[in-house]
Amino acid sequence: IAGITQAPTSQILAAGRRMTLRCTQDMRHNAMYWYRQDLGLGLRLIHYSNTAGTTGKGEVPDGYSVSRANTDDFPLTLASAVPSQTSVYFCASSDSGSYNEQFFGPGTRLTVL
Amino acid sequence: GQNIDQPTEMTATEGAIVQINCTYQTSGFNGLFWYQQHAGEAPTFLSYNVLDGLEEKGRFSSFLSRSKGYSYLLLKELQMKDSASYLCAVMDSNYQLIWGAGTKLIIKP
Repeated sequence: IAGITQAPTSQILAAGRRMTLRCTQDMRHNAMYWYRQDLGLGLRLIHYSNTAGTTGKGEVPDGYSVSRANTDDFPLTLASAVPSQTSVYFCASSDSGSYNEQFFGPGTRLTVL
Repeated sequence: GQNIDQPTEMTATEGAIVQINCTYQTSGFNGLFWYQQHAGEAPTFLSYNVLDGLEEKGRFSSFLSRSKGYSYLLLKELQMKDSASYLCAVMDSNYQLIWGAGTKLIIKP
């Protein structure tokens, strides 16, 4: 693995189903983030984790949950998907601190029908 | 509330210069970032400004005025591969990035 990976690349999901988006980084970054990107809107932060074992809520956390059991992995779970969760989801990671660029995974395109 | 404003779309000619503006109102300021995002791809880091002034990096430069809540990204000697969206993001007092909606830059030959 080099950098940050996400799985799946894309998914079509029936409303009401549970779904976990996977994110793994090999850069030993402390901080990790989940964003959603919708047409005409900026990236919006869903949840973040400043270090393994801790998580926090971002701007749009409702309907999503995360866990951070170790440094490398940061899965995002939709407990019961709804059509408004149709979006492109990006995972990102960075070192801690202010000047630390975020490195993004390739994204997961999720469609909820 | 927190707000980042940038133009939705701009068009420029190959070989020319283009300036993409970004204005912001945020709760606190810990730096401003510019990212490039090609269609269907992930954002990639371009520049970071935390002090007033101009930062130059090859064909790309970024300017910041904290007192005016204003930044711009300057792209010189435009190439077709520069066709992309350019995202402005401000790190707020909680060290979270607040993102603009992005400026889609179209380069014409």
